[in-house]
Amino acid sequence: GDSVTQMEGPVTLSEEAFLTINCTYTATGYPSLFWYVQYPGEGLQLLLKATKADDKGSNKGFEATYRKETTSFHLEKGSVQVSDSAVYFCALEGGAQKLVFGQGTRLTINP
Amino acid sequence: DGGITQSPKYLFRKEGQNVTLSCEQNLNHDAMYWYRQDPGQGLRLIYYSQIVNDFQKGDIAEGYSVSREKKESFPLTVTSAQKNPTAFYLCASSIGPHYEQYFGPGTRLTVT
Repeated sequence: GDSVTQMEGPVTLSEEAFLTINCTYTATGYPSLFWYVQYPGEGLQLLLKATKADDKGSNKGFEATYRKETTSFHLEKGSVQVSDSAVYFCALEGGAQKLVFGQGTRLTINP
Repeated sequence: DGGITQSPKYLFRKEGQNVTLSCEQNLNHDAMYWYRQDPGQGLRLIYYSQIVNDFQKGDIAEGYSVSREKKESFPLTVTSAQKNPTAFYLCASSIGPHYEQYFGPGTRLTVT
């Protein structure tokens, strides 16, 4: 069945560091791919998405490119801030239009 | 402001009691979803509804029930048959298939 595998956390970085959170997926066909962010005690917010191969989603300085050949959708940001501390979830739209989530990666940014 | 509301934010129940979690949306979305989140894990789909008066089981429906009598509302009942009900429950909605899902703030349920 469809699945998403994310980089194990937690990830701790200093402010202004470069961020990469790896995400790979297994799915039939070409699903839409998403990154969601969850701040402490809150629900999830959509961060960015890509709906077809080679699409690049971007928002708030974060980027991810849909790579069909490597079945990946890695999240990157050039210079992180303390306010980026959160849990990040990679997800795909699987069969019957259901979202399939990775296990989440907790990110902590130190000043 | 349009959005999804879940109430209450925190809920405590004794083992053996049924409990209903509220989810309301004023986004005019057709589809609604319930997820369960456990520490260190991703979200798992409990139930979803693509249209009023219709709903489908997700991956972990055992011990849960739902109703969809109105477009705006999709309450989730956690029954006494759910073996490990303590978790963070998230409700979401979307315009329909292939569109992004919008999430509510969640309800943290503790059963002792």
